[in-house]
Amino acid sequence: QKEVEQDPGPLSVPEGAIVSLNCTYSNSAFQYFMWYRQYSRKGPELLMYTYSSGNKEDGRFTAQVDKSSKYISLFIRDSQPSDSATYLCAMRSLTGGFKTIFGAGTRLFVKA
Amino acid sequence: DTEVTQTPKHLVMGMTNKKSLKCEQHMGHRAMYWYKQKAKKPPELMFVYSYEKLSINESVPSRFSPECPNSSLLNLHLHALQPEDSALYLCASSPFGGENTGELFFGEGSRLTVL
Repeated sequence: QKEVEQDPGPLSVPEGAIVSLNCTYSNSAFQYFMWYRQYSRKGPELLMYTYSSGNKEDGRFTAQVDKSSKYISLFIRDSQPSDSATYLCAMRSLTGGFKTIFGAGTRLFVKA
Repeated sequence: DTEVTQTPKHLVMGMTNKKSLKCEQHMGHRAMYWYKQKAKKPPELMFVYSYEKLSINESVPSRFSPECPNSSLLNLHLHALQPEDSALYLCASSPFGGENTGELFFGEGSRLTVL
C-alpha cells in the first residue's frame, strides 16, 4: 500500500463548477500538508500549505485536513479553464526532515 | 512567478557528453533539492543540501553529481547519461534545514533529453 493515495483521473468539469480533489494517507505521523498545481512541462507551484487538521482558504481555493480519517481535500470554486492542470498532494511528518511524500497527481480539465 | 530559477530550460545531450544544470534561489532558504520527474509521475527526490552540506543522496547513480557552491546556488553535473535519464529535473528550496523544513518551492525545471 502506498503511503499517499491520489486518484490520477482525469477529472473533467464544466467551467464554473466546484472541484473537489482528494488524497488519503496511511502514516498518522504526517503533520504538514501541501497542494501543488503543475501545468504541462512546468514545475509544481505551491498552492496551499497547512499544518495539522482544519481548513485554510485562499481566494477560490480551500484546503481541508481531516487527520482522524487520514483524508485531505482541495476545493476549487468557480473553476476556470486556466485551472486545467495536474494537482499534486504532498505531506510530511514533523520529524520527516527533507522527505516530502507526493501523491500521484490528479489531472483536471475545466471545459469552457 | 517562481523564485527558484533553473537553467537551461531545455537540454539535449549525447551519452558521452558532460553538461550541468544550474539552480539559484534568493529567498534565503537553507535547504536545496534536486528532484527527477518522469511524465505523469510525481517528483522523485535525488539529493538534498542543507546549509550547503549534502544531507541526502537517494542512491542516485554516480553519473549524476551534485554541487552546492554557496547557499543560493545548486548545480547538477551530468556525465555519461543513459536515454532513460531523460526527464524533467526540478530544483526546489525550503526555508529551513532542520527537521521541520517548511514549504517546498520548485523551479520551472530543466527538461533533459539524452540521445
